[in-house]
Amino acid sequence: DQQVKQNSPSLSVQEGRISILNCDYTNSMFDYFLWYKKYPAEGPTFLISISSIKDKNEDGRFTVFLNKSAKHLSLHIVPSQPGDSAVYFCAASSGGGGNKLTFGTGTQLKVEL
Amino acid sequence: GAVVSQHPSRVICKSGTSVKIECRSLDFQATTMFWYRQFPKQSLMLMATSNEGSKATYEQGVEKDKFLINHASLTLSTLTVTSAHPEDSSFYICSAMGRGETQYFGPGTRLLVL
Repeated sequence: DQQVKQNSPSLSVQEGRISILNCDYTNSMFDYFLWYKKYPAEGPTFLISISSIKDKNEDGRFTVFLNKSAKHLSLHIVPSQPGDSAVYFCAASSGGGGNKLTFGTGTQLKVEL
Repeated sequence: GAVVSQHPSRVICKSGTSVKIECRSLDFQATTMFWYRQFPKQSLMLMATSNEGSKATYEQGVEKDKFLINHASLTLSTLTVTSAHPEDSSFYICSAMGRGETQYFGPGTRLLVL
C-alpha cells in the first residue's frame, strides 16, 4: 500500500528552466510534507517542508505547493541548475514532522546544459 | 547546523556475523532517531523509531531481535544487525530529530553480507 506516490520516475529539464516534481498521497491524516534530495550512496538532504495549514512555502529557488483537496503536492525549482540533478523524494507524516515519515518512490531529476 | 553522521560508511561482513552501525547528531541533541533501509531503486522504508532512554518501536515486519537498536544518549543511536545474512545487504540510513519537526539524515551505511 503505497501511501505516497511519485508517478514520474524521471524528469529531464534544461538548465535555467523550471523543474516541477509531483507527489500524491492517499492518507488524509498526513499533515506535514517534506521534500528531500538524494545523491547515490548518500543520505537524503532536507530541502523544504510545508504544513497542511499552508498551501505554499518558498525558500530561494524552491517552492512547494500543497493542494489538500486533491491530496497533491509539487516542488518547483526555478531556475534549474545542473547541480540539482539528483533523486527527489517527497515524504509525509501525521501529527507533525517529528513522527515517522512515509516516503515516495522518488523522481530522478536530470538538469541538462 | 543539524549534522548527522554515521559510522561506518561501508561494511562488508561474513554471513552469521553481527554488525553495529552508529548514528550521531553532531551539533544538536536528538530526542528521537529513526532507522531506515533502502534497497536498490526503492524508497526509504522506516525500520524503527528510537527514543532516548526507552525501547525502540519497530515497524511491522521488522524483527526486533535481529535489528537491535540502542539510543543510549541524546546524540547517539546504534543499530546492530545480528547474525547477518546476504538478504540483509542494503543501505541503512538514520535520521535524527531535535526540537523542530524536520528529520535530518545521516550519509548512510552500505552493508554487504557475503
